Amino acid sequence: GAVVSQHPSWVICKSGTSVKIECRSLDFQATTMFWYRQFPKQSLMLMATSNEGSKATYEQGVEKDKFLINHASLTLSTLTVTSAHPEDSSFYICSARPRGKTGWHEKLFFGSGTQLSVL
Amino acid sequence: GEDVEQSLFLSVREGDSSVINCTYTDSSSTYLYWYKQEPGAGLQLLTYIFSNMDMKQDQRLTVLLNKKDKHLSLRIADTQTGDSAIYFCAPVRGGGGNKLTFGTGTQLKVEL
Repeated sequence: GAVVSQHPSWVICKSGTSVKIECRSLDFQATTMFWYRQFPKQSLMLMATSNEGSKATYEQGVEKDKFLINHASLTLSTLTVTSAHPEDSSFYICSARPRGKTGWHEKLFFGSGTQLSVL
Repeated sequence: GEDVEQSLFLSVREGDSSVINCTYTDSSSTYLYWYKQEPGAGLQLLTYIFSNMDMKQDQRLTVLLNKKDKHLSLRIADTQTGDSAIYFCAPVRGGGGNKLTFGTGTQLKVEL
């Protein structure tokens, strides 16, 4: 089955530093990847939609200069949290839609998530 | 935007049936998904239903959709300890964009 690898699974960093999270589709090409954040005991909130070769589309209220998204290839999207602060501490999850699958009856494949803790 | 509500917590005994409920507000939702999330992990698609269906059965899982009331439920038959997880319903937002809106999640705890 399709696998999405997300790395790292857990990161602790100091306030003011930047953190990069990678999302890779291992056995399929993904033209579209999605980034979510999840606070404890809350739902997933869509942050942005990442399309290969173009700029990401951010949801309302998400700072694009704070959360940099790069989708340079069909198998890799990265989310960089710039100048991280404690309020950015959260669980970040990516998902990928296989290339050629445009209908919503097709599956999205999710990464295992990254727990970010900013001290 | 769409609001999706779920009960926060459900506890059942092993072997019993579990019913997880979900209400949503966007009547133009086209597909409605159920995802399972185990601790510290990503989401696993369990099943989905098209908005023109009332029911879908998939092994131990039964999805019921009442489109008039905008109510979705997931029934797990013969619940096992391995079913303990958080369950999210996720309608596909209508009006274009094909974006999932996740419910608040229901923590299912299966007790022996």
